[in-house]
Amino acid sequence: DTGVSQNPRHKITKRGQNVTFRCDPISEHNRLYWYRQTLGQGPEFLTYFQNEAQLEKSRLLSDRFSAERPKGSFSTLEIQRTEQGDSAMYLCASSSRTGETEAFFGQGTRLTVV
Amino acid sequence: AQSVTQLDSQVPVFEEAPVELRCNYSSSVSVYLFWYVQYPNQGLQLLLKYLSGSTLVESINGFEAEFNKSQTSFHLRKPSVHISDTAEYFCALETSGSRLTFGEGTQLTVNP
Repeated sequence: DTGVSQNPRHKITKRGQNVTFRCDPISEHNRLYWYRQTLGQGPEFLTYFQNEAQLEKSRLLSDRFSAERPKGSFSTLEIQRTEQGDSAMYLCASSSRTGETEAFFGQGTRLTVV
Repeated sequence: AQSVTQLDSQVPVFEEAPVELRCNYSSSVSVYLFWYVQYPNQGLQLLLKYLSGSTLVESINGFEAEFNKSQTSFHLRKPSVHISDTAEYFCALETSGSRLTFGEGTQLTVNP
């Protein structure tokens, strides 16, 4: 296991289409996070899971966004009816315990909505 | 609510010059503080972290940061930068719930 893996790396979609991203965390990590990063900004928290439970969702996560982590392993982030404002880098991170270890980030999925 | 402010959006320096990237934070509870580095089209890599103990923390590639509780700062410094240090640097804090709150980033550009 070499780190957090995200697929796809790039996604171009037409406005109104649905998209789904996948994140495979480091295998022994029980916490998984999603962040969104727009150009020139720092990452913004979207949601996080401890095992399979989704413990917190940001107000940035509108009804069009849904995240799952079945069986506490990989996670998916789906955006329905995409809008141009959804264009961003979507970052996934995982960690084992709060404050004890760092959060390891994947390379991100860059979404472009045209 | 917690927040992180990075005081400089861009810092250009010449190679082998010293550099300081400034970070101030706001929180009503105890925090953990981090600096992450991001190269173009890449994810974030942890540079260094302050959890507790010594207020001066160091990275393996010569960066250091000092936690100053009274000034609510966590500035990043390096005495001599290299071309390869060119990247975006993010200061972040973590509180309960384990999510990170990031600043807006500082683009460090090292010129020959």
